[in-house]
Amino acid sequence: ETGVTQSPTHLIKTRGQQVTLRCSSQSGHNTVSWYQQALGQGPQFIFQYYREEENGRGNFPPRFSGLQFPNYSSELNVNALELDDSALYLCASTPGAEETQYFGPGTRLLVL
Amino acid sequence: AQSVTQLGSHVSVSEGALVLLRCNYSSSVPPYLFWYVQYPNQGLQLLLKYTSAATLVKGINGFEAEFKKSETSFHLTKPSAHMSDAAEYFCAVSEGFQKLVFGTGTRLLVSP
Repeated sequence: ETGVTQSPTHLIKTRGQQVTLRCSSQSGHNTVSWYQQALGQGPQFIFQYYREEENGRGNFPPRFSGLQFPNYSSELNVNALELDDSALYLCASTPGAEETQYFGPGTRLLVL
Repeated sequence: AQSVTQLGSHVSVSEGALVLLRCNYSSSVPPYLFWYVQYPNQGLQLLLKYTSAATLVKGINGFEAEFKKSETSFHLTKPSAHMSDAAEYFCAVSEGFQKLVFGTGTRLLVSP
């Protein structure tokens, strides 16, 4: 167990809709990262938050946005959903200055 | 930019045989390297990590990996495969502000 939880586990949306995915980390894990894992691929970095500020972003459009809260929870928001957004979305948290990221079980999003 | 190449999308071994999963990385700075395992419909679990200490790293479940700078490799091995080792394995390199760059993964199949 990594102590990282995600909700919901599965989600079905239609093209054009908006979705919010949630992640809860352990106390003291100041950094949270979000990844998108398409079927049969490795995870791709979306962005990272450190102490509630965005701290790096991958090659994803602005319709992917996030928030991090003081209680070590975070959100990934995706607007104007596209079919290619169907994937497993993983959040990972990092304690302090460690390099290790601990992953949650993921949310599987299907866009129809 | 840093990158990871995993040779072989599928590796098949017999139970009790040696497991060897290959990973080569590209990095302009001393890297942090990781191996994660993903079981079906689950998130990523850390197997082991290299952070510039000992070049031979021991992880969980009997896995180990050796960092070879001259070959830019970080291959994962296990002396004797078990049926429960069947999963997807991902090699990753850390690219600044803790962003992880993943390979495309290797599916390990273990036959009785």
